[in-house]
Amino acid sequence: QLQLQESGPGLVKPLETLSLTCTVSGGSISNSDYYWGWVRQPPGKGLEWIGSIYYSGSTYYNPSLKNRLTISIYTSKNQFSLNLSSVTAADTAVYYCARQPAGYSDYDRFAFDIWGLGTMVTVSS
Amino acid sequence: DIQMTQSPSSLSASVGDRVTITCRASQSIARFLNWYQLKPGKAPKFLIYGASTLQSGVPSRFSGSGSGTDFTLTISSLQPEDFATYHCQQSYSTSSLTFGGGTKVEIK
Repeated sequence: QLQLQESGPGLVKPLETLSLTCTVSGGSISNSDYYWGWVRQPPGKGLEWIGSIYYSGSTYYNPSLKNRLTISIYTSKNQFSLNLSSVTAADTAVYYCARQPAGYSDYDRFAFDIWGLGTMVTVSS
Repeated sequence: DIQMTQSPSSLSASVGDRVTITCRASQSIARFLNWYQLKPGKAPKFLIYGASTLQSGVPSRFSGSGSGTDFTLTISSLQPEDFATYHCQQSYSTSSLTFGGGTKVEIK
């Protein structure tokens, strides 16, 4: 079955760039039925959508993060990535990658139906 | 952005209890409302979409209702494995997805 796994550094210094990769196994990231998204959860807080990408490279970004955010997709590797620049302590969170149905007329559109386990990223010097 | 407000933020309940969690949107989102279950160290689980449609494999003790701005998630008979945090999410605004703050269901 489809699985997603996040990978990347667990510690990032302030003002540097946070970089994470999500590897998809058990299915193709080029499937036109899905977007691929990132979600984070700061300690003690709720979930926050970061952004989403289609196999074509089309992206949606959270308006509050878009000036610092780049999400890319690598179909040959079945991976997509997150780069968040100029990080601060407020970016400390568990970061999840997830699959999102893309059917605009369907009620499950842009839900997050399959998730990775998440990876904790701490921003600290 | 569409703001999603969940209540309560936490609750204590016993096995067998009926539990209801509320999610309110700052504007109408039709039925584009999803629910998730989060447990520490595990991948989040997708429970309900379209306000009331159970995702495949989700036990029938879970149910959702509502439309417009007011939604509920109900667990008809709480089981030990249901102690977790539950989050709602709107997908009406596809360019700005938002979640509720979460409801932690604890053992009484």
